[in-house]
Amino acid sequence: GENVEQHPSTLSVQEGDSAVIKCTYSDSASNYFPWYKQELGKRPQLIIDIRSNVGEKKDQRIAVTLNKTAKHFSLHITETQPEDSAVYFCAAQGAGGSYIPTFGRGTSLIVHP
Amino acid sequence: DTAVSQTPKYLVTQMGNDKSIKCEQNLGHDTMYWYKQDSKKFLKIMFSYNNKELIINETVPNRFSPKSPDKAHLNLHINSLELGDSAVYFCASSQVGGQGGNYGYTFGSGTRLTVV
Repeated sequence: GENVEQHPSTLSVQEGDSAVIKCTYSDSASNYFPWYKQELGKRPQLIIDIRSNVGEKKDQRIAVTLNKTAKHFSLHITETQPEDSAVYFCAAQGAGGSYIPTFGRGTSLIVHP
Repeated sequence: DTAVSQTPKYLVTQMGNDKSIKCEQNLGHDTMYWYKQDSKKFLKIMFSYNNKELIINETVPNRFSPKSPDKAHLNLHINSLELGDSAVYFCASSQVGGQGGNYGYTFGSGTRLTVV
């Protein structure tokens, strides 16, 4: 089955810096890659996603890149703010026709004011 | 309007009891799920259900059972609760397949279950 590795497990940055979270996946048949943000005590929320026919997608301060050859994808947050502090999960879907995502283990992002 | 709602938000119960968590979605999605999130924040799939099939994670004890009266509801029933069942349980829904392919989840607000 699919295996998703996510790094780092913890990321600490100063307000205004950029943050990058990286994920690798094992099954080249995966075709959909969502990212979720979970603030403390709240539900995970979809913040951005990318499909396998696209290499990059941006939404204001966040962007996701996908390298299908290397089987890795990354979340980039620019000009970080304290409210970006949360746990971020990557996921890979679609391998073997499965609609159930395989989640990474999460990255705890801490933005210091 | 809450898109995916689950109740109760908190549940404290004794070992050996039976409890249920309810979930409802008003998004018109065709697939619903239950996830368990442990203290290390890992999201573990328990069940996936749409009008065609129920997919069960084989590692989930058979004390856990999903019940779906209709496509907008997927409840979770747990028998003989154990200390290790303490966790946050999330319901989620999504629209699966079709020409658009896969889509992301909408999660409920979670139920924090504490077994004492």
